[in-house]
Amino acid sequence: EVQLLDSGGGLVQPGGSLRLSCAASGFTFSTYWMSWVRQSPGKGLEWVAIIKEDGSEKYYADSVKGRFTISRDNGKNSLYLQMNSLRAEDTAVYYCARDHITTGTTRFDYWGQGTLVTVSS
Amino acid sequence: DVVMTQTPVSLSVTPGQPASISCKSSQSLVYSDGKTYLFWYLQKPGQPPQLLIYEVSRRLSGVPDRFSGSGSGTDFTLKISRVEAEDVGDYYCMQGERLPYTFGQGTKLEIK
Repeated sequence: EVQLLDSGGGLVQPGGSLRLSCAASGFTFSTYWMSWVRQSPGKGLEWVAIIKEDGSEKYYADSVKGRFTISRDNGKNSLYLQMNSLRAEDTAVYYCARDHITTGTTRFDYWGQGTLVTVSS
Repeated sequence: DVVMTQTPVSLSVTPGQPASISCKSSQSLVYSDGKTYLFWYLQKPGQPPQLLIYEVSRRLSGVPDRFSGSGSGTDFTLKISRVEAEDVGDYYCMQGERLPYTFGQGTKLEIK
């Protein structure tokens, strides 16, 4: 059974940092692109970042470029999101999501349960 | 960025009746491989989103056949042939043809 377990959220002050983790199981993690998607309270969905299977390519939403870093450890079947210089508008539930294999046409067929990040003084 | 415009914002449907949600993209979602990367997700209350439809009209395994997707180019539709109580939630379309992936604003489906 495919499972994605998000963790690492919490309350942080503006300007602070936080590292989110996503533990994957039930599939060959190293063959999938992976993404982070966030949802502000009561709002819609926003794609945040994506990383290639081997970590050699990474892309970001303009809203987080230069502040957030996506990474992965295929040996540990884990995905990470390092968030620096956090702002109030980064407050959201962050989901890791299985993106696609190179020849695949699905996107986000599995999601973590989400971890809440609150940026407030 | 590709703008995804969903309508209506909300929908109230009697069980057993059909429902339809429209999604329009600001650019064609046909990729160089000839496939159209348009997806539909349902987010039930208190849960993460779940993928229903990919490539415009292909149902993910396990998705009831009362859900169907159609459309081409920039105009797409999700239809529920007979709404059931368990279909309550927020529906989102998303384009995956180019980065950044972008979502529609969402459509809230309620049961009358």
